Amino acid sequence: GIQVEQSPPDLILQEGANSTLRCNFSDSVNNLQWFHQNPWGQLINLFYIPSGTKQNGRLSATTVATERYSLLYISSSQTTDSGVYFCAVHNNNDMRFGAGTRLTVKP
Amino acid sequence: GAGVSQTPSNKVTEKGKYVELRCDPISGHTALYWYRQSLGQGPEFLIYFQGTGAADDSGLPNDRFFAVRPEGSVSTLKIQRTERGDSAMYLCASSDSSGNTIYFGEGSWLTVV
Repeated sequence: GIQVEQSPPDLILQEGANSTLRCNFSDSVNNLQWFHQNPWGQLINLFYIPSGTKQNGRLSATTVATERYSLLYISSSQTTDSGVYFCAVHNNNDMRFGAGTRLTVKP
Repeated sequence: GAGVSQTPSNKVTEKGKYVELRCDPISGHTALYWYRQSLGQGPEFLIYFQGTGAADDSGLPNDRFFAVRPEGSVSTLKIQRTERGDSAMYLCASSDSSGNTIYFGEGSWLTVV
């Protein structure tokens, strides 16, 4: 199956800093999503982005499908951004997740 | 409903017991997914339904795990003869027929003691 690798595994930031999270995948995919898992375990859909660039407030994402990677940018980070960020890719039914990046934003 | 609803939110059971976890997807969503997540790991695919039928059950770890969706809406994940290794968060998700954007419930934490 498709392998999904995320980096870095852990990231600690001071409030207000910017960051870039990376997702590499081993094969062509039809769909790619970024999720944020809050401390209570809820997975929140951030972006559906199989290709191109999207922005939503302080977050933006870029997927370069031909090179099999996606980037999630967080600008002016806030403590509420803390949690685990997952990249998930799928063709048809089987969505595969990376191991996630655990982000801690300190006040 | 407005979102994917899962019950119970927490379940503690004794080793060897039978457990059912319920998922109520977003109204009108034809696709339903079950995932399992252990601490420190990403969600692991278990099974996918399109309508009433299990389109892909390749992620079910063994024959103690079974899931149904008899009317194409609510789904139940059933675990027989639970083992301590089954302890995890069980996540349900749904999507519309395009499958482009998948929405997750809040999960059911299962602890087998």
